Amino acid sequence: QSVLTQPPSASGTPGQRVTISCSGNNSNIGSNYVYWYQQFPGKAPKLLIYGSDQRPSGVPDRFSGSKSGTSASLAISGLRSEDETDYHCAAWDDSLSGWVFGGGTKLTVL
Amino acid sequence: EVQLVQSGAEVTKPGESLKISCKGSGYSFTSFWIAWVRQMPGKGLEWMGIIHPGGPSTRYSPSFEGQVTMSVDKSINTAYLQWNSLKASDTAVYYCAKVSATSSSATFQEHWFDPWGQGTQVTVSS
Repeated sequence: QSVLTQPPSASGTPGQRVTISCSGNNSNIGSNYVYWYQQFPGKAPKLLIYGSDQRPSGVPDRFSGSKSGTSASLAISGLRSEDETDYHCAAWDDSLSGWVFGGGTKLTVL
Repeated sequence: EVQLVQSGAEVTKPGESLKISCKGSGYSFTSFWIAWVRQMPGKGLEWMGIIHPGGPSTRYSPSFEGQVTMSVDKSINTAYLQWNSLKASDTAVYYCAKVSATSSSATFQEHWFDPWGQGTQVTVSS
């Protein structure tokens, strides 16, 4: 059981905008930054969003992050077939004094 | 280029010991924390702990305290994750990652994992 809650799956058609949610509480998302990682099958996770809404260099601006209260979202606009993979959210948890993750969301491009 | 390269896949038996490695290059290895993250088959990511090669200093997740041991060898820029007695439930892919931030004075809340090693598959089976 992951501390942060993500939907196990999400889907969209090419060109569409999709969002993936990540829900936590006041000890984690409510008081700290959120991070998003993209992970292709058999590969290591890759940082997609840091500081809740900042993109590292090289990440397309089709990817954006936001946070409100104890929830966060990853939005992908202009959906492409190569976006089909797993996405994980993470945050520092003040109560656990460590990082917590969501269970991951598998995005399917129909 | 900042890079973390992990040791290869391991197949072991319950009760055996194991030590896997993570070699850093392209940056000052002793200046940044290294994190270990577990991913069980078909599951999400779990933070296990962090170690600062400059210390070394360690912080374990309560879920993994006493189950694994993190260590480093500064002379060869390598971090290690060790088990004394493996269980079948330890079967997973284990990743190391550099703990990064925009500022050297940032708190842990402002740190993230980037880049990651390629992962080490550990299979424990009788």
